[in-house]
Amino acid sequence: DAKTTQPPSMDCAEGRAANLPCNHSTISGNEYVYWYRQIHSQGPQYIIHGLKNNETNEMASLIITEDRKSSTLILPHATLRDTAVYYCIVRVNYGGSQGNLIFGKGTKLSVKP
Amino acid sequence: SQTIHQWPATLVQPVGSPLSLECTVEGTSNPNLYWYRQAAGRGLQLLFYSVGIGQISSEVPQNLSASRPQDRQFILSSKKLLLSDSGFYLCAWNDLGGRTYNEQFFGPGTRLTVL
Repeated sequence: DAKTTQPPSMDCAEGRAANLPCNHSTISGNEYVYWYRQIHSQGPQYIIHGLKNNETNEMASLIITEDRKSSTLILPHATLRDTAVYYCIVRVNYGGSQGNLIFGKGTKLSVKP
Repeated sequence: SQTIHQWPATLVQPVGSPLSLECTVEGTSNPNLYWYRQAAGRGLQLLFYSVGIGQISSEVPQNLSASRPQDRQFILSSKKLLLSDSGFYLCAWNDLGGRTYNEQFFGPGTRLTVL
């Protein structure tokens, strides 16, 4: 079972920031927070990951609370092409079955013009 | 650069017929390989993963099986399909120990309809 809880859906206006929350209250000290997204009828795409510090790359920013029990993925200027299902996943960063990605139901983000 | 291929892209099969889906990866060696299934309206479910030739781990018991006859080839099979096997099948890879380990790279998928 997924170790994360996400809202099933969110809307965002084009050009505005999209803030997608994720709860992971049972996260272990060696587990990272990963975000993937899946555009309709395509395979998932990696976005970003982090352990406890905030992270930023060309796609998004990841804000992790100090107690690591929740995080927020931020798309700073959402476009229509960002419409997708966004998955928040916690996993360890080494091999074996514990390192496998376990996908929950994610948040369906709809970016509207 | 690395690429991942899956075929066929779409497949319609009758109940009770056999299944063989193929996935190949180019541009890397000894990758971890994964099979996922996404049923209509549901999340991705990990079915099998492999860390090397002939090494298969099953995550969910079912009438499907997987094989890895070559380093960069991963095959998903069934002897007799069920209606519940319909879905979107995705193959993925990553590189344990390499810089790509933090990501899994997914193929284009096979949409299977069992009638």
